[in-house]
Amino acid sequence: DTAVSQTPKYLVTQMGNDKSIKCEQNLGHDTMYWYKQDSKKFLKIMFSYNNKELIINETVPNRFSPKSPDKAHLNLHINSLELGDSAVYFCASSQGTGTGANVLTFGAGSRLTVL
Amino acid sequence: GQNIDQPTEMTATEGAIVQINCTYQTSGFNGLFWYQQHAGEAPTFLSYNVLDGLEEKGRFSSFLSRSKGYSYLLLKELQMKDSASYLCAALDSNYQLIWGAGTKLIIKP
Repeated sequence: DTAVSQTPKYLVTQMGNDKSIKCEQNLGHDTMYWYKQDSKKFLKIMFSYNNKELIINETVPNRFSPKSPDKAHLNLHINSLELGDSAVYFCASSQGTGTGANVLTFGAGSRLTVL
Repeated sequence: GQNIDQPTEMTATEGAIVQINCTYQTSGFNGLFWYQQHAGEAPTFLSYNVLDGLEEKGRFSSFLSRSKGYSYLLLKELQMKDSASYLCAALDSNYQLIWGAGTKLIIKP
């Protein structure tokens, strides 16, 4: 199946721990994203990578670090987890430039719960 | 600041028509997007408008008025599976999507 796949789907962990979420897309897209969806359902962009180059880095804490080994993968590593990091994290991908490049294909989401 | 407003929740009847409104204020504008998100699932793309007017895609249509900073999503012949949240997002001058909180649509038999 052509898709954006991310793992794990659920992640429950203690404050202070370090965790990673992995994302892979087999759509041949050249741009990948990480979004955070909080309890109020707002989607907020965290990072965007185009052909392995970071092109957006919104004001997220530096505890969050994206890693893109190639254009099909964009992983998210989070250090020293805090309660406020609890959210659903979505990976997404798109192709091209301009307005049409915002037709995003999302992964199923990773629900992170920090206790 | 940049802002997207849409109703929090709407209820409609199966087989009917519903219109979900969205107003936006962004620094620059390059398009208005609609996504559908079923509970516990990923958002999926529905449509986007760049120019004023109505774009029709089967049972779903989206309208844009750039001068009014206004869009709506029109859903016809509602089906139970249309129960979902509908996210409005505007593309600003930096080609970044600014998202609304979504409108939860409840369809009743």
